[in-house]
Amino acid sequence: EPEVTQTPSHQVTQMGQEVILRCVPISNHLYFYWYRQILGQKVEFLVSFYNNEISEKSEIFDDQFSVERPDGSNFTLKIRSTKLEDSAMYFCASRGDSGRREAFFGQGTRLTVV
Amino acid sequence: AQKVTQAQTEISVVEKEDVTLDCVYETRDTTYYLFWYKQPPSGELVFLIRRNSFDEQNEISGRYSWNFQKSTSSFNFTITASQVVDSAVYFCALSEASGANSKLTFGKGITLSVRP
Repeated sequence: EPEVTQTPSHQVTQMGQEVILRCVPISNHLYFYWYRQILGQKVEFLVSFYNNEISEKSEIFDDQFSVERPDGSNFTLKIRSTKLEDSAMYFCASRGDSGRREAFFGQGTRLTVV
Repeated sequence: AQKVTQAQTEISVVEKEDVTLDCVYETRDTTYYLFWYKQPPSGELVFLIRRNSFDEQNEISGRYSWNFQKSTSSFNFTITASQVVDSAVYFCALSEASGANSKLTFGKGITLSVRP
């Protein structure tokens, strides 16, 4: 069964460093998302991406964040200068056409900023 | 703005008991979608069910059933004859129809523990 895959599963980085989280969405999906979950809290929307551009972003998604779909398969989230409060689980999700509203999530990348 | 409230935070049951997880939502849209996701201890988010706002028929799928009541803005989820493997955090989520790429808004989740 097709699935969303994310790499790495766990990343530890120094505060102020740049990180790139990678995702391979399900191949025929059109809508792509990043969410994050701070430990023990709810899942929060960061950004949605469709037709090679950001379609919506939350107030969390400030200038330190960017997304890219550099080729036909990968979808990346970059954090330019990480802060301690960026420590969280980051989930990539993808969805098929507009008629199917359920998003399928990757297994997540746990980002720890030290 | 859309909002999802899961008032229960933790539920503990003994195996084979039935358990109902509550979800109340708020939205201004007349067309929207409701979901339940499961997050087992391994951390991934697993899609369980989706319900469209224009379809209030309640269904049963195996040990899972759901009760969608538009009049009370509730979308409750029941696990029948619970098993230890059902132990997880369960999230209710809402997606508004306006905008084909609309995001999911999650509740805070309910931690379900099923004891042998």
